[in-house]
Amino acid sequence: KNQVEQSPQSLIILEGKNCTLQCNYTVSPFSNLRWYKQDTGRGPVSLTIMTFSENTKSNGRYTATLDADTKQSSLHITASQLSDSASYICVVSPDNAGNMLTFGGGTRLMVKP
Amino acid sequence: DTGVSQDPRHKITKRGQNVTFRCDPISEHNRLYWYRQTLGQGPEFLTYFQNEAQLEKSRLLSDRFSAERPKGSFSTLEIQRTEQGDSAMYLCASSRTGGAPNEQFFGPGTRLTVL
Repeated sequence: KNQVEQSPQSLIILEGKNCTLQCNYTVSPFSNLRWYKQDTGRGPVSLTIMTFSENTKSNGRYTATLDADTKQSSLHITASQLSDSASYICVVSPDNAGNMLTFGGGTRLMVKP
Repeated sequence: DTGVSQDPRHKITKRGQNVTFRCDPISEHNRLYWYRQTLGQGPEFLTYFQNEAQLEKSRLLSDRFSAERPKGSFSTLEIQRTEQGDSAMYLCASSRTGGAPNEQFFGPGTRLTVL
């Protein structure tokens, strides 16, 4: 069964600190992995997408890494801001069609002043 | 605003009642998806349309659930004889053929509470 597991389930950090969120997947075949940010009461918004051949990709203060051999990805947030408080969801797809997405349960991040 | 919109944003209903949700996708998007999300969990796929054709349905979509996209534009999701277990956030997303891989654009969701 295709699965995406994220850790930790929740995380509290102080404003300005860095943090790293983890995603392990068993989806096979693998095409790409996307990280979404979901603010409370809102729909998810895409942060980054990584394909099989990519190891790292940055989007501002967000840096995603991918190890396709160990089937692990991480999302590193640098110099956290209060507005980073949200759930971060890892989404894996076996193909480019985008119809068979497997979502992780998300990591709920809270940034405190 | 040209994003995905959903209506209503919140719905409270009594067990046994029927509810209907609407999703308006981004105008040039031919694909539309419905998901269900419970608290602390990631979205779970319910169904998918390409234009007006419903191409895939999850086993989560029991016979009390029905979705339509009659003209290939907006979509409705109806839940008949609601149960307390139906309480969740119902998310709609859209994408277009040939767009960035897996780039689904999500609406704000409809939060359903069944009393």
